[in-house]
Amino acid sequence: QVQLQESGPGLVKPSQTLSLTCTVSGGSISSGSYCWSWIRQPAGKGLEWIGRIFTSGSTNYNPSLRSRVTISVDTSKNQFSLKLSSVTAADTAVYYCARGRPHSFDYWGQGTLVTVSS
Amino acid sequence: DIQMTQSPSTLSASVGDRVTITCRASQSISSWLAWYQQKPGKAPKLLIYKASSLETGVPSRFSGSGSGTEFTLAISSLQPDDFATYYCQQYNSYSPLTFGGGTKVEIK
Repeated sequence: QVQLQESGPGLVKPSQTLSLTCTVSGGSISSGSYCWSWIRQPAGKGLEWIGRIFTSGSTNYNPSLRSRVTISVDTSKNQFSLKLSSVTAADTAVYYCARGRPHSFDYWGQGTLVTVSS
Repeated sequence: DIQMTQSPSTLSASVGDRVTITCRASQSISSWLAWYQQKPGKAPKLLIYKASSLETGVPSRFSGSGSGTEFTLAISSLQPDDFATYYCQQYNSYSPLTFGGGTKVEIK
């Protein structure tokens, strides 16, 4: 059974960089035709896809965030990561990592709340 | 970007009811649509992919239909565990992945 777990700081100051890691267990991040995505959800609101990475290293980002987002993968650790720069209060949300097949998401992490505040 | 519009935003129903949720895309997405169920404090759960394919382990009372720009999620007989928020999500190759705004199914 594949499991995903997000980790990282729960509080980030405005203008700083948000950094999260997703650890995949129960299977190799390199196996199969999957991609690995980050999705976020502000409190009480809907879901926003941030971007994805294939284990080849190829990435796609949401144009609305592209200038601030970097997603990377470390196959040796079975992890992928998100960096979001120049954060503001509008970036406060629950951040999920998820496995894409590659277009629908079949496994999700439990989510981690990141608050942007000084 | 392709916009996804769900209706209704809230739906009140009773156990045993048949319920339907509609999702409309701002342009054709063929059958590239998924449906998810989300409960408070939990991650979304995949129910349907490719518009009408039932994800493994999902009860058969859930079904999806549609193509092009209009899609429907149906629950044939609403069960207590089904009270949740439902989201559609499109995956068109030439557009960022986007979700609908959600439909909350609440107890009548």
